[in-house]
Amino acid sequence: QLQLQESGPGLVKPSETLSLTCTVSGGSINNFFWTWIRQPPGKGLEWIGDIYYRGDTNYNPSLKSRVTLSVDTSRNQFSLKLTSVTAADTAVYYCARGTGPYTRWGQGTLVTVSS
Amino acid sequence: DIQMTQSPSSLSASIGDRVTITCRASQDIRNNLAWYQQKPGKVPNLLIYTASTLQSGVPSRFSGSGSGTDFTLTISGLQPEDVATYYCQKYNSVPPTFGPGTRLEIK
Repeated sequence: QLQLQESGPGLVKPSETLSLTCTVSGGSINNFFWTWIRQPPGKGLEWIGDIYYRGDTNYNPSLKSRVTLSVDTSRNQFSLKLTSVTAADTAVYYCARGTGPYTRWGQGTLVTVSS
Repeated sequence: DIQMTQSPSSLSASIGDRVTITCRASQDIRNNLAWYQQKPGKVPNLLIYTASTLQSGVPSRFSGSGSGTDFTLTISGLQPEDVATYYCQKYNSVPPTFGPGTRLEIK
């Protein structure tokens, strides 16, 4: 069964870069879009962007200037980089498969932005 | 970008009640709408897609309707395990925006 697992630092300093990786197991990363979604504590879901296995990307206009998605098909992984983070970027970050609706999600990882 | 709104933002209902949550899109999205249930501390779970198709394994007390700009999620016979926040999401175009959520509690 397909599983997704987010990994990366749980604490990032303000103005630095948040980096997360999603590892896909139980299936191939090929032939699908892969998505990042985040949820600040106590708030709603925000779509960050998605990436096709070949590298084509779509980004949320509100985050586009700070976000970069990449994919490594040899490792069955895709990644998120968010630059110049502030406290407002504190959230649970989820990876998911597809462009919506999402039937496969990772468990989520909390990233806190704090000095 | 297409904006998604939901009403109410929160509601309290009794066990066995029929509960209706509304989602509205700022532009026509045809039937490209999904509903998710998120229980506290858990990952969102897809309930309904294409506005009215029940995802496999979801109890039949959940149903969805609507097209264009106005959509509803109905729970027919509220159960204690339905306490959660419910989100709609449009996915016909980028960005695939979520609604702000509706928090459902038991009275």
